[in-house]
Amino acid sequence: GQQLNQSPQSMFIQEGEDVSMNCTSSSIFNTWLWYKQDPGEGPVLLIALYKAGELTSNGRLTAQFGITRKDSFLNISASIPSDVGIYFCAGYNNNDMRFGAGTRLTVKP
Amino acid sequence: DAGVIQSPRHEVTEMGQEVTLRCKPISGHNSLFWYRQTMMRGLELLIYFNNNVPIDDSGMPEDRFSAKMPNASFSTLKIQPSEPRDSAVYFCASSIGDNYGYTFGSGTRLTVV
Repeated sequence: GQQLNQSPQSMFIQEGEDVSMNCTSSSIFNTWLWYKQDPGEGPVLLIALYKAGELTSNGRLTAQFGITRKDSFLNISASIPSDVGIYFCAGYNNNDMRFGAGTRLTVKP
Repeated sequence: DAGVIQSPRHEVTEMGQEVTLRCKPISGHNSLFWYRQTMMRGLELLIYFNNNVPIDDSGMPEDRFSAKMPNASFSTLKIQPSEPRDSAVYFCASSIGDNYGYTFGSGTRLTVV
């Protein structure tokens, strides 16, 4: 099946630092999405990308849909303690959503 | 809007017992998904329904797993008999048709001992 490779697996950063994580796939996706999961909760959609090359921002979050449609990255600027959680990339084609393994982010105050 | 509601939040059961997980999707959403999350395998799609009809159940691991959606506001995922390797967090999500904007429930953490 379609495999998403997400990196890094985990990050430990200081409050105020910027964060970058990315996702690559062997398959093409029509839509790339980024979710955040807090402990004990389900994933929550942060950003959705629909077009190759698209760059989208949501507050301190910026994500890009790769030109080849096989990759995406997520940047978080000026991290704050509540950014802690697991971030998942997801590729979507026709009611089929595949998730990366997640990036666990820890922010030290 | 109460979101996607799953019950129970936690379930501990003995090996061999039947387990039933429940989900109430968001009203008006006509696609429903069951996912399983483990440390080893991450988030895996088990089955999804569109307009109460199962469309793709290729992710269901074994015949011990079954899912139903008798109406637009309720779905169940049943494991019979349960095994320790079924221990995981099971998520239900819903969306409007082909809309990619899945809304996830808070999950059911299942522990089979």
